[in-house]
Amino acid sequence: AQSVTQLDSQVPVFEEAPVELRCNYSSSVSVYLFWYVQYPNQGLQLLLKYLSGSTLVKGINGFEAEFNKSQTSFHLRKPSVHISDTAEYFCAVRPVSGTYKYIFGTGTRLKVLA
Amino acid sequence: EAQVTQNPRYLITVTGKKLTVTCSQNMNHEYMSWYRQDPGLGLRQIYYSMNVEVTDKGDVPEGYKVSRKEKRNFPLILESPSPNQTSLYFCASIGSTEAFFGQGTRLTVV
Repeated sequence: AQSVTQLDSQVPVFEEAPVELRCNYSSSVSVYLFWYVQYPNQGLQLLLKYLSGSTLVKGINGFEAEFNKSQTSFHLRKPSVHISDTAEYFCAVRPVSGTYKYIFGTGTRLKVLA
Repeated sequence: EAQVTQNPRYLITVTGKKLTVTCSQNMNHEYMSWYRQDPGLGLRQIYYSMNVEVTDKGDVPEGYKVSRKEKRNFPLILESPSPNQTSLYFCASIGSTEAFFGQGTRLTVV
């Protein structure tokens, strides 16, 4: 079985400051890792994904994440946030083989302040 | 364009009145899933389908039914809704390396 932990339920940050949203996972099998973003009143949109290869993954809107296998982490970063980045962010994992079931974290609400 | 279409977007209903939330995808995916999103709990899987006529329970299936008569459609059925089913619901169509989500259905049961 897999589990995903997002320790920060809310993260306030000033505009143009850097931000890191933390994600840790637990799994007995190899997994793919994902970050999704949910803007107000919208569905989930894929930000980035790690399938294999380079552990530094770049996504849309200037976000990036680093897969750390030894620490079972997949933290999301952005060097300079904008007001428009205000949203809820979900980390998720899915086993590489077998089931297509996604396991989500509880989400982190990013609030960018002017 | 890859698309998952859910309807309705918003629904207010009364306890016990049967309802169906529709979901359709245009990517020819075999795997589809329903999730509910509740504050502080993230997304939890209700039911999933691995192919036509193949469905199975997820983590929170109580009070829900699904059907998969054709590959593109995967409706969620609440035969007797209760207030604890008030939630935000998402349909997902799952490809080999990415899940695509609908816009969500915000359901309120009074």
